[in-house]
Amino acid sequence: GAVVSQHPSWVICKSGTSVKIECRSLDFQATTMFWYRQFPKQSLMLMATSNEGSKATYEQGVEKDKFLINHASLTLSTLTVTSAHPEDSSFYICSAEVAGVSGGYNEQFFGPGTRLTVL
Amino acid sequence: KNQVEQSPQSLIILEGKNCTLQCNYTVSPFSNLRWYKQDTGRGPVSLTIMTFSENTKSNGRYTATLDADTKQSSLHITASQLSDSASYICVAWSGGSYIPTFGRGTSLIVHP
Repeated sequence: GAVVSQHPSWVICKSGTSVKIECRSLDFQATTMFWYRQFPKQSLMLMATSNEGSKATYEQGVEKDKFLINHASLTLSTLTVTSAHPEDSSFYICSAEVAGVSGGYNEQFFGPGTRLTVL
Repeated sequence: KNQVEQSPQSLIILEGKNCTLQCNYTVSPFSNLRWYKQDTGRGPVSLTIMTFSENTKSNGRYTATLDADTKQSSLHITASQLSDSASYICVAWSGGSYIPTFGRGTSLIVHP
């Protein structure tokens, strides 16, 4: 149980185009999903917190107009990188939160990640 | 500022040997600390979760310790296997905003 999928697993696009990444919780409903970005040999950096049916909360320094997040249902959140540039090339990982599974604490189950390369 | 520091940055060991990874954290207020295993090109997978009142927790060959006074944690891997080759990430959760702070990870390579 508690499987999170991401699609696509990798994508290569031209500079200036937009790319959409999907994050799905396959066997559970997640009120809250998170989007992270990870550069090589760096730690995961939280980009935004996505709550179903409401606007996402972005971390400081993350441009909300560039990284559009939609959480239309309890099993799907999407991240759209608009007008992508080479510096946006990174590994994007989502996670879905399940309440009270680890000793009463919420647990985040991570997706397998999406490798974005912008040429 | 919340921070998590991990050491060593990378580690190479022979199959069958034990190893210990270190994590120092500065997170306030502290809620819990977790260790994750991240295979290359994959998302992290949870190994252990500990609150401030827990000193040790095991998950198979993985044993995590936590000293809330010194704000240090360790992950001990026993009888390493080739499949243990991965990045091990220490994550500290704050109790207020419930935002995780990730360490950079320790890259472990197990050689046959």
